[in-house]
Amino acid sequence: DGGITQSPKYLFRKEGQNVTLSCEQNLNHDAMYWYRQDPGQGLRLIYYSQIVNDFQKGDIAEGYSVSREKKESFPLTVTSAQKNPTAFYLCASSTGTLKITGELFFGEGSRLTVL
Amino acid sequence: GDSVTQMEGPVTLSEEAFLTINCTYTATGYPSLFWYVQYPGEGLQLLLKATKADDKGSNKGFEATYRKETTSFHLEKGSVQVSDSAVYFCALRDNYGQNFVFGPGTRLSVLP
Repeated sequence: DGGITQSPKYLFRKEGQNVTLSCEQNLNHDAMYWYRQDPGQGLRLIYYSQIVNDFQKGDIAEGYSVSREKKESFPLTVTSAQKNPTAFYLCASSTGTLKITGELFFGEGSRLTVL
Repeated sequence: GDSVTQMEGPVTLSEEAFLTINCTYTATGYPSLFWYVQYPGEGLQLLLKATKADDKGSNKGFEATYRKETTSFHLEKGSVQVSDSAVYFCALRDNYGQNFVFGPGTRLSVLP
């Protein structure tokens, strides 16, 4: 079955450490996204990528970095510069601008806790 | 910029009650509209969508109609079940297909 796989599901980090969250999709989608969700809150866009080797900052990119070397993969690194990284992180993908009515498909999420 | 507004929760209903969650949007042109559902500890799942004015999206007893004249996409269900307890997000995809905008979410609790 096609879908989006995020790993790990749970991650604990000590202060000052960088961590990388994995996101892989086999839907052949051009566009991929990372969102952050805090308890009881909505979604905030961190980064997105419409095509391989290109990505743009979202609303809360500070303290995060991404890469898009392959169409299927869009890893997110939470750096030590992110002051409050404890949150639920969601990866998503969609058809690109070739089909502008397509929906977002989401992974199951990764919960990061800073100790 | 584009925006989505939805009713504040939490919404608490008894089983078999009628559900309405209001959603209105601001956008240029003709965005596509979506309702997503999120169960505890999980990602978001698409519940239904509509891509042009007067379209009705439906799934699992839920319905929403794309009303261009009132810029609304209200979610309705005639008889809710305990298993419908979740957070519901209204969203739009802009006219150019690049950006998705989400509402803040509405938490629904259905009591037996």
